[in-house]
Amino acid sequence: EAGVAQSPRYKIIEKRQSVAFWCNPISGHATLYWYQQILGQGPKLLIQFQNNGVVDDSQLPKDRFSAERLKGVDSTLKIQPAKLEDSAVYLCASSKQLTNTGELFFGEGSRLTVL
Amino acid sequence: SQKIEQNSEALNIQEGKTATLTCNYTNYSPAYLQWYRQDPGRGPVFLLLIRENEKEKRKERLKVTFDTTLKQSLFHITASQPADSATYLCAPSMNRDDKIIFGKGTRLHILP
Repeated sequence: EAGVAQSPRYKIIEKRQSVAFWCNPISGHATLYWYQQILGQGPKLLIQFQNNGVVDDSQLPKDRFSAERLKGVDSTLKIQPAKLEDSAVYLCASSKQLTNTGELFFGEGSRLTVL
Repeated sequence: SQKIEQNSEALNIQEGKTATLTCNYTNYSPAYLQWYRQDPGRGPVFLLLIRENEKEKRKERLKVTFDTTLKQSLFHITASQPADSATYLCAPSMNRDDKIIFGKGTRLHILP
């Protein structure tokens, strides 16, 4: 079974530029999550989708971050314009369950450096 | 606000001994608690999930306890090996619909 795929693995941009990250979850997984992990911290939930609907985006900085999950499969996370404090690893995870009672399968992450 | 605390310092354990990691939570009562392992440069990997009505759960050399009175979960690795060296994250959730919040994690070093 293929795991969660993310790209790009690494991205370096200047502040005020834009960036997009892509995630392909495990086939058949209904729930998809984007987490932000700053060095030395635990993952922080940005947004959670069930199929293609948003369940929780309370911690997503909506003035600069946006995310979509078209057709309930792939997802993209965009940052525009980027700030220095956005430097982090962006982790995508998926879960078979519609509720938060099952294990999350994480991708390898996309490491963003904002200069 | 909801708060999760894990051992802030790295934990050094001699190979063969039992490693015990702590996860304390305040200002809420999670119904579920998950433990994940994270290696440098990799995404977290699920290890165990324990429910509030379960006092203990085991999987091979791993054991998790969940004390709702103390608001604490303990994660044990018995007969530890250098390959167990990693960061371990605890992740409680209030209920089946609530978001999963991760602690900062504890770095574990198993010394040969």
